[in-house]
Amino acid sequence: AQKITQTQPGMFVQEKEAVTLDCTYDTSDQSYGLFWYKQPSSGEMIFLIYQGSYDEQNATEGRYSLNFQKARKSANLVISASQLGDSAMYFCATPSGAGSYQLTFGKGTKLSVIP
Amino acid sequence: DTGVSQNPRHKITKRGQNVTFRCDPISEHNRLYWYRQTLGQGPEFLTYFQNEAQLEKSRLLSDRFSAERPKGSFSTLEIQRTEQGDSAMYLCASSLGWGGPQETQYFGPGTRLLVL
Repeated sequence: AQKITQTQPGMFVQEKEAVTLDCTYDTSDQSYGLFWYKQPSSGEMIFLIYQGSYDEQNATEGRYSLNFQKARKSANLVISASQLGDSAMYFCATPSGAGSYQLTFGKGTKLSVIP
Repeated sequence: DTGVSQNPRHKITKRGQNVTFRCDPISEHNRLYWYRQTLGQGPEFLTYFQNEAQLEKSRLLSDRFSAERPKGSFSTLEIQRTEQGDSAMYLCASSLGWGGPQETQYFGPGTRLLVL
């Protein structure tokens, strides 16, 4: 069964600095995807970035990039130039189940951006 | 607004009452998912539809939980005889298909349920 581990319950970062949120995964699938979501205090899960296991390049979306190290089974999220609005919970997830229909989530990391 | 919508956003009910939540997915998405999220945890998968077919329901928490997607568009999640332990955020998501970026699930704003 797929498993996602996020070892940082909470992180602080100074505004305008970069921050890395850790995610390691365990999967028996040969081909898989990795997702990062942001959840502000309002509760909505906002999709940030996707990385396919066979993608040759690390994914980037604006200020978000993914440091994907397949051999180490890690998919760390890097947020550059942090903004106050980045304060939120961040979840790493991967599909599991036959047909990869369900997302298995980590426990999340709470990021606080300090002015 | 072409995102996933959920209604109601908040629901307060008394123990033993039935509640029903609605989810409207992104229009071209044929997959629809329900998750439950309790405080301090990541979302937990409940059930999944491909069009109107419910392809996985073994993860529904008990037989008090049921879900429908009658015409392959919107979906409802019903909880019968609610218990205080059902208090949680119920999230709906939809995706275009399977494999690669198409399996990206887009979530709605959720329904916060409080059972008194």
